[in-house]
Amino acid sequence: AQSVTQLDSQVPVFEEAPVELRCNYSSSVSVYLFWYVQYPNQGLQLLLKYLSGSTLVESINGFEAEFNKSQTSFHLRKPSVHISDTAEYFCAVTLTGNQFYFGTGTSLTVIP
Amino acid sequence: DTGVSQNPRHKITKRGQNVTFRCDPISEHNRLYWYRQTLGQGPEFLTYFQNEAQLEKSRLLSDRFSAERPKGSFSTLEIQRTEQGDSAMYLCASSLFMFERQADGYTFGSGTRLTVV
Repeated sequence: AQSVTQLDSQVPVFEEAPVELRCNYSSSVSVYLFWYVQYPNQGLQLLLKYLSGSTLVESINGFEAEFNKSQTSFHLRKPSVHISDTAEYFCAVTLTGNQFYFGTGTSLTVIP
Repeated sequence: DTGVSQNPRHKITKRGQNVTFRCDPISEHNRLYWYRQTLGQGPEFLTYFQNEAQLEKSRLLSDRFSAERPKGSFSTLEIQRTEQGDSAMYLCASSLFMFERQADGYTFGSGTRLTVV
């Protein structure tokens, strides 16, 4: 079975500062990894994904995540955060694409 | 197409009542998923359909829960004899599945928030 651990439930950070949201996964086989973002009272939106190939993946709004197989991690980073990045971020893993296993989420609060 | 649509957005019901939620997926998507999200937790898988066939159900889906996708388009999730523990956000998602081990991510709806009092 697969599982995901998000080590930080809440991350406050000042505007324009860098941020890292940590995600570790557990699986005995190769999996696909995702980050989703959830704004208040909205559904989840796909932020970025790792399927294969380059271990560094990027989103269109400046986030990036690096797949590290040896450390079973898929941490999300942004070099300079904006107020609009305040949201809940979920790391997820899937083996086949049929069923996703989500972490408990990290609440990112950007402080002006 | 405006994405995945879920109705109602909010539902308050008394314990013991039945409730039904509706999900309209993106029209060309053949797979539809239901997840449940409780406060402070990530979404948990409930079930999914490919066209009208229900292919997998989680153990979380007790026999009080039933999901249908009668014509392979919209889906309904019914909870009978609701309990306070059913209070959660019920999320629907859809995707276009073409081959095995395709993992393209879902498009989620905004969810239906159920409160059982």
